[in-house]
Amino acid sequence: AQSVAQPEDQVNVAEGNPLTVKCTYSVSGNPYLFWYVQYPNRGLQFLLKYITGDNLVKGSYGFEAEFNKSQTSFHLKKPSALVSDSALYFCAVRDRAAAGANNLFFGTGTRLTVIP
Amino acid sequence: ETGVTQSPTHLIKTRGQQVTLRCSSQSGHNTVSWYQQALGQGPQFIFQYYREEENGRGNFPPRFSGLQFPNYSSELNVNALELDDSALYLCASSSRDTPFSPLHFGNGTRLTVT
Repeated sequence: AQSVAQPEDQVNVAEGNPLTVKCTYSVSGNPYLFWYVQYPNRGLQFLLKYITGDNLVKGSYGFEAEFNKSQTSFHLKKPSALVSDSALYFCAVRDRAAAGANNLFFGTGTRLTVIP
Repeated sequence: ETGVTQSPTHLIKTRGQQVTLRCSSQSGHNTVSWYQQALGQGPQFIFQYYREEENGRGNFPPRFSGLQFPNYSSELNVNALELDDSALYLCASSSRDTPFSPLHFGNGTRLTVT
């Protein structure tokens, strides 16, 4: 079984400050991990992924995430938040053994609000 | 490059009815997945199609079915609609030829069952 936990429903950060959106996961084997962002009335947009290799992954719009196997975490970070970063963020995991290449298991989402 | 398009954008149906949702894949993509996103929740995987065949399915009953056409477009059909089927239905395409290619999502179809 696989699962994703996003412990914070809401994260508020001042513009220009660093931001972190937390994610922990559980899979039976080695994970594939993803972050997606959703703007109002829109579909999800891909930000970044961890497949293997370097634990620090860089993605779109200045976002990055760090894979920590011992803590089973994959937190999303950005050094300096922009008002335009305000959106709903989803962490997703895929168990390498799961049927269907696109069988991603998503968390419940974290709403990020960047305050001007 | 044409993105993923879904139709209709909104739909209202009555319990017990049947509904068909449509999706056009992004150009160059040969795999289509469907997700259900209930209000306040993350998307849940329904199924995936590749080469016009279902090759992965989530925990959804058989009244959820799909098709993929030779041009890689897809349909999601839901029979005997229930109130809990009210959700945003998202279609996503990707290229199976590119390992770990990210999903490209459409803007979704908002289904309301009354």
